[in-house]
Amino acid sequence: GNSVTQMEGPVTLSEEAFLTINCTYTATGYPSLFWYVQYPGEGLQLLLKATKADDKGSNKGFEATYRKETTSFHLEKGSVQVSDSAVYFCALRKGETGNQFYFGTGTSLTVIP
Amino acid sequence: DGGITQSPKYLFRKEGQNVTLSCEQNLNHDAMYWYRQDPGQGLRLIYYSQIVNDFQKGDIAEGYSVSREKKESFPLTVTSAQKNPTAFYLCASSIARGQGASGANVLTFGAGSRLTVL
Repeated sequence: GNSVTQMEGPVTLSEEAFLTINCTYTATGYPSLFWYVQYPGEGLQLLLKATKADDKGSNKGFEATYRKETTSFHLEKGSVQVSDSAVYFCALRKGETGNQFYFGTGTSLTVIP
Repeated sequence: DGGITQSPKYLFRKEGQNVTLSCEQNLNHDAMYWYRQDPGQGLRLIYYSQIVNDFQKGDIAEGYSVSREKKESFPLTVTSAQKNPTAFYLCASSIARGQGASGANVLTFGAGSRLTVL
């Protein structure tokens, strides 16, 4: 089946620290991969995406590379800010059948000054 | 600006009552979805619809019902049969499979509706 496994939180970092949130997936075929961010009390916003192997998605200093050989899509940022405090969700979309999206359980990040 | 509007943002319900959550989009998306989010958990799919007048059950459809009479609207009714309805409900939409480049097919979310059963 299709599933996404991401690093359990919560994660607490000091401002300007390096961030990695691990995400691995199980899927048949060639899924598209996404990272979404959710700020307190809000819906999810698309942070970045990658649609094929070796693609790198990037936005607001965040990056993630689609690694088919390790079925991973880890989220990284070189220097986090307090404003990056949120919950981060890794997700995949099956390419061939329908429009079903599969989400990880989310990783809560708190950045302290 | 195009987007998804969910209402109400907060809703309180007494046990035994049905409530309906509204979701409207002006993105011209064919597919619409309802997810439930509980504290510390991921998103669980309740129902989705890929076209008007058609919808499919997701992973946790019991105790919920939907309709899709218009492309823009996908209301969710939480019925009295739902045993534990207190949660944060998220509506989302996307273009249908086959429309546009595959990279364009992302989920766009509304701001959510928080339902509390008293």
